[in-house]
Amino acid sequence: EVRLVESGGGLVTPGGSLRLSCAASGFTFSSYSMTWVRQAPGKGLEWISSISGDSGSVYYADSVKGRFTLSRDNAKSSLFLQMNSLRAEDTAVYYCARGWASSSWYIVLWGQGALLTVSS
Amino acid sequence: DIQMTQSPSSLSASVGDRVTITCRASQGVNIWLAWYQQKPEKAPKSLIYAASTLESGVPSRFSGSGSGTDFTLTISSLQPEDFATYYCQQYDSYPFTFGPGTRVDI
Repeated sequence: EVRLVESGGGLVTPGGSLRLSCAASGFTFSSYSMTWVRQAPGKGLEWISSISGDSGSVYYADSVKGRFTLSRDNAKSSLFLQMNSLRAEDTAVYYCARGWASSSWYIVLWGQGALLTVSS
Repeated sequence: DIQMTQSPSSLSASVGDRVTITCRASQGVNIWLAWYQQKPEKAPKSLIYAASTLESGVPSRFSGSGSGTDFTLTISSLQPEDFATYYCQQYDSYPFTFGPGTRVDI
């Protein structure tokens, strides 16, 4: 079964750090781009970062650039989002998503999401 | 950055209705436009890519069209399970922006 499972969400104080993980299974992980999309409570979807299958291309939204770092471990079929200097406005459900191909940014598959709450 | 807009922001419809949602990009994105469906408290689901290609398993009552800056998602005969929020996203160029969403309810 093709599957994405996020982990690592939780409650963090402003200015803190957290790392989200996404475990992939059921497909050849290295062959696909991966993306994080977030959704603040009651709001729409926001694209925040994507990485190509070989990690050669990594993109960030301006809202997280310089604070978040996206990486992947193809040997372990895992995706990571290191989040630093967290702000209240980073509170959201974070979805891990798989692309259509290594350097295609269309999202084919979505995880169930991990909730991050940034609050004192 | 490419800005995406959607209209309407919400609509009320009945089972069997034909529904059309419009998505507009602030600059051309060729055909690199996708549509996603999201139900409350659920992860989004991919419906259409490359403006008009249905994902496997998506009912044929869904269709997409357009290129450049103007796109539409049409549901030919609305079914109870179609009540949801629909988002477009351009993936032509980074940042890969989403539209604000269109809520379809009864």
